[in-house]
Amino acid sequence: DGGITQSPKYLFRKEGQNVTLSCEQNLNHDAMYWYRQDPGQGLRLIYYSQIVNDFQKGDIAEGYSVSREKKESFPLTVTSAQKNPTAFYLCASSGGRTDTQYFGPGTRLTVL
Amino acid sequence: LAKTTQPISMDSYEGQEVNITCSHNNIATNDYITWYQQFPSQGPRFIIQGYKTKVTNEVASLFIPADRKSSTLSLPRVSLSDTAVYYCLVGSTGTASKLTFGTGTRLQVTL
Repeated sequence: DGGITQSPKYLFRKEGQNVTLSCEQNLNHDAMYWYRQDPGQGLRLIYYSQIVNDFQKGDIAEGYSVSREKKESFPLTVTSAQKNPTAFYLCASSGGRTDTQYFGPGTRLTVL
Repeated sequence: LAKTTQPISMDSYEGQEVNITCSHNNIATNDYITWYQQFPSQGPRFIIQGYKTKVTNEVASLFIPADRKSSTLSLPRVSLSDTAVYYCLVGSTGTASKLTFGTGTRLQVTL
């Protein structure tokens, strides 16, 4: 929170549909991240971007795609190829001398 | 990247001081230690960060011994609202993408 917004807060998707989650930051951070969190578990890295127009796969990138056309924005698309997309999705950005990450409020995606 | 180990869970009564210790034996010279707090269905919230000795802010203190192989997050006089999961992470500039948020320490505060 504190400069990172995610929308929507709750999202419902039918099987077979793609859906895009929004993440915007006004912290002037170069790096942005997407994580997935399942119940009772830690965070797993999906994708990250260190700079505009560049991004890298994280640990669980299959079935997801991202873009980074602007410094402030890092949208995540959950595609129909993601077999188990129901989860809590968190976006973060980092910067400064210690590269500390700051998180958005999250989006809870439920596949019906 | 330094692996961290912290207790899975802790219980406390309201009004007590809570100390959560994290071990990070392989911490690198440039690494900082950062603690986050997460409530259910919310994003992790930055609590405190330090490099050595002691750091204090309005919500917590962080104690780091000289060898930096461990750190202790201290929450003074906890309340029910401090019930949350606490994560300890170690990293430095450029390593944020390699950080691992494990299951953290689940703190339960009761009356």
